[in-house]
Amino acid sequence: KAGVTQTPRYLIKTRGQQVTLSCSPISGHRSVSWYQQTPGQGLQFLFEYFSETQRNKGNFPGRFSGRQFSNSRSEMNVSTLELGDSALYLCASSLTSGAHNEQFFGPGTRLTVL
Amino acid sequence: GENVEQHPSTLSVQEGDSAVIKCTYSDSASNYFPWYKQELGKGPQLIIDIRSNVGEKKDQRIAVTLNKTAKHFSLHITETQPEDSAVYFCAASTQAGTALIFGKGTTLSVSS
Repeated sequence: KAGVTQTPRYLIKTRGQQVTLSCSPISGHRSVSWYQQTPGQGLQFLFEYFSETQRNKGNFPGRFSGRQFSNSRSEMNVSTLELGDSALYLCASSLTSGAHNEQFFGPGTRLTVL
Repeated sequence: GENVEQHPSTLSVQEGDSAVIKCTYSDSASNYFPWYKQELGKGPQLIIDIRSNVGEKKDQRIAVTLNKTAKHFSLHITETQPEDSAVYFCAASTQAGTALIFGKGTTLSVSS
């Protein structure tokens, strides 16, 4: 069974630009969660999508947004990039909604903002 | 909200020794506690988890213990091997929660 895939794996952008990251969950999984990982803050929850609906959102500004498609694939978008947005963005999939379900992470997208 | 503290931040052991990583959580409603291993350049990999109706769970060389009264849970790795070297994260979640709250991670180094 294929794992969680994320594209692209690496991305370099400049301040003020916007970026879209993609995540394909494990086949049959309907929930996708996004996390930001930085050396200083560790792993922080961004949002979760289930059945094309955002179920929960972490403490991030409105520049961070996402969506989920009918095939459960998810995208997240960051607008007006700031230097502090440089991070590893991870998505995790699970069978159904709720963090108490086993979550499986993808390899992440490394975003560098210059 | 929930807060998860993880100690130590770094741990160095000799091959064959045991390693113990400890976490405490603040929300008494938390009832799901997974542990993840992250190797360089990869995403976190779920290695073991425990739910609040269980006090201990084992899977070969790894085990997790949970003390709900003290709001404390630990990862135990026995007979460590160089390939166990990685960053380990603990996390916690409530039944109703949609987010895992992670500890800051422990960098484990196993030298041969």
